[in-house]
Amino acid sequence: NAGVTQTPKFRVLKTGQSMTLLCAQDMNHEYMYWYRQDPGMGLRLIHYSVGEGTTAKGEVPDGYNVSRLKKQNFLLGLESAAPSQTSVYFCASSYPPSEQYFGPGTRLTVT
Amino acid sequence: EDKVVQSPLSLVVHEGDTVTLNCSYEVTNFRSLLWYKQEKKAPTFLFMLTSSGIEKKSGRLSSILDKKELFSILNITATQTGDSAVYLCAPGGGTSYGKLTFGQGTILTVHP
Repeated sequence: NAGVTQTPKFRVLKTGQSMTLLCAQDMNHEYMYWYRQDPGMGLRLIHYSVGEGTTAKGEVPDGYNVSRLKKQNFLLGLESAAPSQTSVYFCASSYPPSEQYFGPGTRLTVT
Repeated sequence: EDKVVQSPLSLVVHEGDTVTLNCSYEVTNFRSLLWYKQEKKAPTFLFMLTSSGIEKKSGRLSSILDKKELFSILNITATQTGDSAVYLCAPGGGTSYGKLTFGQGTILTVHP
């Protein structure tokens, strides 16, 4: 039982490049979330999904897209990376009303 | 707009001290409040609070919620160096069940 996994763990992008972050969970959770965490700040919700095939915007969705084609996977895409997207990205999953379980994070640097 | 304020922002204590971390919130359609501990990696779950006045305990940690005054506290007694971490408060509410709003966190440093 791996819980929540994220790939890659680290990535460096140049401005304008695109990439996809993959989140996978093996707990059969309905809900999945993507957060970003910047220095001195808590986690801010980017997008979330309440079930396979559904997604919704969070607090800071601009510049990101997501897809939930399979229940166990939640993908976060950056179409044209910007330096402001340098951050640590966390994926989480839950089966409300219980707590969210977090993945190990992806450290992204955009130069 | 949902709002979460944690205080203090940082705290330095010595082993054996007792600390109290505060979290005040304004969240639409409040459902629960969660506390997480983060040590340079993924946040790990500590407590979920849904009812006022009922203390939850886990070892040296305890937490309580006041839904009338819109705040929660996290207490840590007999602190240890392993308690050094960022403590995050996250009330949940809004139109979508399970959605959390995180505070900026309290950085706790425990010296030997």
